[in-house]
Amino acid sequence: EVQLVESGGGLVKSGGSLRLSCAASGFTFSSYAMSWVRQAPGKGLEWVSGISGSGSRTFYADSVKGRFTISRDNSKSTLYVQMNSLRAEDTAVYYCAKDRGAGGNSAPDAFDIWGQGTMVTVSS
Amino acid sequence: DIQMAQSPSSLSASVGDRVTITCRASQSIGIYLHWYQQKPGKAPRPLIYTASSLASGVPSRFSGSGSGTDFTLTISSLQPEDFATYYCQQSYSTLTFGGGTKVEIK
Repeated sequence: EVQLVESGGGLVKSGGSLRLSCAASGFTFSSYAMSWVRQAPGKGLEWVSGISGSGSRTFYADSVKGRFTISRDNSKSTLYVQMNSLRAEDTAVYYCAKDRGAGGNSAPDAFDIWGQGTMVTVSS
Repeated sequence: DIQMAQSPSSLSASVGDRVTITCRASQSIGIYLHWYQQKPGKAPRPLIYTASSLASGVPSRFSGSGSGTDFTLTISSLQPEDFATYYCQQSYSTLTFGGGTKVEIK
């Protein structure tokens, strides 16, 4: 069964840091671009960051550029996002999402598998 | 970034109704437009890829159309399990989502 399981969420103070992880199983992890998508309470979806299957290309939304760093360990089938200089507006459920098509060096496209999400709360 | 405008933001409909949701891009995105369904407390579920291709396991009452800047998601006969929020997403450039359309029971 294809599965994504996020972890690492929690409560952090404004200006603090947090690292989220997403453990993948049931597919050849290194073949697929992966992304983080977030959803603030009661709001819509916002794509945050993506990474190619090989890890050589990374992509960021303007709202997190310079503060968040996406990475992956293909030997562990795990996706990460290091979040620094956190702000109240970063409060959200963070989902990891698998790209629908295989491509070792492809940019994120559309998503076929999503994790259950992990909540990040930034207190001011 | 490309902005995605969905309309309406919410609608009320009855079981059996035909429902249409529109998504407009701020510039042409070809057919790089995808649709998702999300129920409260759950992760989004893919419905339609590249404007009109049904995702795996999605009932045929869902369909998508459009190209360029204007796109449509249609539910031909609304079922009880279809009450949810629907999002469009473009992948022509830096990924962006529409604001969502909440489909509620009339």
